[in-house]
Amino acid sequence: QSALTQPRSVSGSPGQSVTISCTGTSSDVGSYNYVSWYQQHPGKAPKLIIYDVTRRPSGVPDRFSGSKSGNTASLTISGLQADDEADYYCSSYAGSFTYVFGTATSVTVL
Amino acid sequence: EVQLVESGGGLVPPGRSLRLSCTVSGFAFGTYAMHWVRQTPGKGLEWVSCISWNGGNVAYADSVKGRFTISRDNAKKALYLQLNNLRPDDTALYYCTKDIIDYSVHGFDSWGQGTLVTVSS
Repeated sequence: QSALTQPRSVSGSPGQSVTISCTGTSSDVGSYNYVSWYQQHPGKAPKLIIYDVTRRPSGVPDRFSGSKSGNTASLTISGLQADDEADYYCSSYAGSFTYVFGTATSVTVL
Repeated sequence: EVQLVESGGGLVPPGRSLRLSCTVSGFAFGTYAMHWVRQTPGKGLEWVSCISWNGGNVAYADSVKGRFTISRDNAKKALYLQLNNLRPDDTALYYCTKDIIDYSVHGFDSWGQGTLVTVSS
């Protein structure tokens, strides 16, 4: 149950796009299309923004999109806005009702 | 509106026990898998445990296996986590979370506000 690997930080100017990678193994990300992404603002509980690799819960803007290739999943934020500045976590199902989270990426809007 | 409210956290010395509770409303509790996720102050999220919708399947992170026990009471719409033999590295904010899709396991949908567990002498 090793944590998924994410970049520590990414940044972009308002209106730009940023992409966050999430690298796991053939036992988690590579085996299941149950990768999800969470946004967490300081002092708040995490918020689900992407699930099943590409699906958005209702109310989440389509500026947020997800993808996966092999053992690596990605979250892209298009049209970056000030409120997107937060920590982002990926998570993957790893079989037998177990999960693993990523190491967190801090997004800075310049 | 989906609501999850955790309770039971506190300050305990190493080796002692605590029982966390999560009471829910706003959804069909008995049809969703439920999870506990913890977050160390200033650090990342760690999945702790999962229990299936009917309680027939449970799973734990290696870091808590053999010390923590997850359970649920569908009639009371309540989720529990028994924490035994607590260690300082168990210090964290413990979140109760609901799975995304009923009768399945996909990830973490709604979250409570968490209950803080501090293990220190």
